[in-house]
Amino acid sequence: SQQGEEDPQALSIQEGENATMNCSYKTSINNLQWYRQNSGRGLVHLILIRSNEREKHSGRLRVTLDTSKKSSSLLITASRAADTASYFCATERGSYIPTFGRGTSLIVHP
Amino acid sequence: DAGVIQSPRHEVTEMGQEVTLRCKPISGHDYLFWYRQTMMRGLELLIYFNNNVPIDDSGMPEDRFSAKMPNASFSTLKIQPSEPRDSAVYFCASSPRGEGYGYTFGSGTRLTVV
Repeated sequence: SQQGEEDPQALSIQEGENATMNCSYKTSINNLQWYRQNSGRGLVHLILIRSNEREKHSGRLRVTLDTSKKSSSLLITASRAADTASYFCATERGSYIPTFGRGTSLIVHP
Repeated sequence: DAGVIQSPRHEVTEMGQEVTLRCKPISGHDYLFWYRQTMMRGLELLIYFNNNVPIDDSGMPEDRFSAKMPNASFSTLKIQPSEPRDSAVYFCASSPRGEGYGYTFGSGTRLTVV
């Protein structure tokens, strides 16, 4: 079964706006990762946040993790048309094997 | 490093034929994963290897699927015989040590079985 589930399934915004995607999961985790997938390509690792961390930044990306609510959010600030892609969260548990959600499809209109 | 290399990028085959997908992981990565992606089921882990040894193949859909890793720089995923429901994008990914290091994906093989 899918461990991480992204929300919303699809998001459409204008260039310059912020995009927020959420990920919920069901059991305790060691870490949570966010990936981007451009159309026809493989997944690209964006950022990893460990279970003892609450927030992490990487460029225009901000990830938060709330282990009490079993949820994470990915914020992309000042979005660009090039950010158009699908975004996936992946959770790692004791087996160290990531389980991916179904992704959020983000469209950024120029 | 050229990243994770998969071949072929596209494969179209007739039902009943054997299909072999290939993957070259990043040098030095101890873990190799095979995933399948479909619209209906999302990303599914099929099998993963640690130091060339298969660790968990519980995601392999049935006996028609098999995977090997004869050495640290090469892995294959074979489907024999292929069926239309096997049509999907198959990804190979590698990781240096497993937990907490992220995964590098190849560009995938789009398989169409007609």
